[in-house]
Amino acid sequence: QKEVEQDPGPLSVPEGAIVSLNCTYSNSAFQYFMWYRQYSRKGPELLMYTYSSGNKEDGRFTAQVDKSSKYISLFIRDSQPSDSATYLCAMGIGWKVTFGTGTKLQVIP
Amino acid sequence: DVKVTQSSRYLVKRTGEKVFLECVQDMDHENMFWYRQDPGLGLRLIYFSYDVKMKEKGDIPEGYSVSREKKERFSLILESASTNQTSMYLCASSLLRDPGGYTFGSGTRLTVV
Repeated sequence: QKEVEQDPGPLSVPEGAIVSLNCTYSNSAFQYFMWYRQYSRKGPELLMYTYSSGNKEDGRFTAQVDKSSKYISLFIRDSQPSDSATYLCAMGIGWKVTFGTGTKLQVIP
Repeated sequence: DVKVTQSSRYLVKRTGEKVFLECVQDMDHENMFWYRQDPGLGLRLIYFSYDVKMKEKGDIPEGYSVSREKKERFSLILESASTNQTSMYLCASSLLRDPGGYTFGSGTRLTVV
């Protein structure tokens, strides 16, 4: 079993839809949680970074962490074609970060 | 306003060659990392450095070495390139106090023939 599980997709949604991306993990020792967005032929860029359970909002993006269920989510409201990318979840202990394999999202105009 | 710069976007090398991948960051970050990214396998850590001349092995260090002589520069060395090292190589940096808050470079697509 992988330490971090992420559905690879692809996920196709119409413009304006609410998108939900999810990851589950097995290691309860993870201390912090991130979501990265990666456009084709680019390096990942950090979207959200949180240490605690609960919700964190930044514009159209909301990150949710449920440590009791070992589950994290990223919600994208009013999705735009420019949101089309691969989304990577990641979680860490100390300096060690474990990434999910990514979910490919396509937002159709 | 480029923050993490990788020296090459694309490289083609022959089996057995010694290969150098260079990475420079201008954010005064303490931590620097080298990852490789392969379809279906995601990002795998090769090496990590938290200070000049300091290094830690990641998950897949075999066949690689690193050098960090200055805070802003972290080099990845493939001692004798093999075809199974064909991959996308990503350099990243982060602050010591925010270890997961990576800034990535654009990547180097290395093909070993």
